[in-house]
Amino acid sequence: EAQLLESGGGLARPGGSLTLSCSASGFTFSSFAMGWVRQAPGKGLEWVSGISGSGSITYSADSVKGRFTISRDNSRNTVFLHMNGLRAEDSALYYCAKVEATYMDYGDLFDDWGQGTLVTVCS
Amino acid sequence: QSVLTQPPSASGTPGQTVTISCSGSSSNIGSNSVYWYQQVPGTAPKLLIYRNDRRPSGVPDRFSGSKSGTSASLAITGLRSEDEAEYYCAAWDDNMGGYVMFGGGTKLTVL
Repeated sequence: EAQLLESGGGLARPGGSLTLSCSASGFTFSSFAMGWVRQAPGKGLEWVSGISGSGSITYSADSVKGRFTISRDNSRNTVFLHMNGLRAEDSALYYCAKVEATYMDYGDLFDDWGQGTLVTVCS
Repeated sequence: QSVLTQPPSASGTPGQTVTISCSGSSSNIGSNSVYWYQQVPGTAPKLLIYRNDRRPSGVPDRFSGSKSGTSASLAITGLRSEDEAEYYCAAWDDNMGGYVMFGGGTKLTVL
């Protein structure tokens, strides 16, 4: 069974940076795409970014394009979300999620989720 | 990038059947699989239905999914108190290079 453990959340100033990490176990990491989904307090789920199994293809929501970058290190079974230019509206619980296929653009979505790491952006 | 349309709330009494709808367009539900997630307050989302109508192991057969055209539905039969949660639909959208769309969520209350 897949296990996903996020870390790296915390308090950041507007315009600041944070890097989230997600350590994965229980499956062949490089065979599956991974993604990040966030949830602001009291709000619904919002997809942030995704990356293919090899890391060669990335996908991002318009709301974070140019500011957030997703990457992965398959030798360490870890996926990252590098967040720059943080805004108050980026404050949310960020979930790491495993995709049930190697790529996302064939329509396969998330089958396992971590517990999330909280990001708070305020001055 | 907008959201799939779900009713904000639904309710039922124990034993009843409840259906939650999810409406999209030809670029998302109309051409890609629909996924359903259950989120109990304070916990991470859990996969309930994948590829429109398939249940992961461990999900009771009281939960079923269907899709027709640009809409999908989640049905819960024999409603139980532990089914009280938020339910989200999701699908890949082929526009603008591709992205994931979630529904706004439906809060299910078991009366």
